Amino acid sequence: SAVISQKPSRDICQRGTSLTIQCQVDSQVTMMFWYRQQPGQSLTLIATANQGSEATYESGFVIDKFPISRPNLTFSTLTVSNMSPEDSSIYLCSVVRRMNTEAFFGQGTRLTVV
Amino acid sequence: DQQVKQNSPSLSVQEGRISILNCDYTNSMFDYFLWYKKYPAEGPTFLISISSIKDKNEDGRFTVFLNKSAKHLSLHIVPSQPGDSAVYFCAAILSTGTASKLTFGTGTRLQVTL
Repeated sequence: SAVISQKPSRDICQRGTSLTIQCQVDSQVTMMFWYRQQPGQSLTLIATANQGSEATYESGFVIDKFPISRPNLTFSTLTVSNMSPEDSSIYLCSVVRRMNTEAFFGQGTRLTVV
Repeated sequence: DQQVKQNSPSLSVQEGRISILNCDYTNSMFDYFLWYKKYPAEGPTFLISISSIKDKNEDGRFTVFLNKSAKHLSLHIVPSQPGDSAVYFCAAILSTGTASKLTFGTGTRLQVTL
């Protein structure tokens, strides 16, 4: 397994502001992902955080809105920019050690935009 | 278009009985399936997985069955315990592209009663 620390665990933010979420893993991992779970919805992949290069975004998500950094193999950040109430969700960091096997998740960041 | 579906948003089962959680998918290219359990304020926790070349995988009280022709999988928990009360997510992985990207169902909330 992997120990994943995600900060902050929750936040209430004003619309128009930005929030950066941090994800720290206890050991080097090949792949890191960011997911979003909107109220009553399933988990949706936002992007793959690539070490040393730009993140790979899924359809419907763009870098200007969700800039991602991954400076090394154990750390990544996701920024939710220019927030609106529609961004209120749980944001989750995920890592995978081996291809085609289980992914491990952080505890999530519950974001409320008012 | 929801490629992984969990049609039952909730399920209530008596302690000691069997819990059966169902999941249907539409994409025949999915070749690996996983079940996650999620408690409130925590990230999803991996439970059990199954490759598409198998039809059954068992781990303790948890068994996953896969019916490829029906594009259906199910998670059996027996005997059910109060600590199993959580939201259960089915997830699938495509065999092409970034193999570790997960597509999640919307989840089923299991309540195990005394």
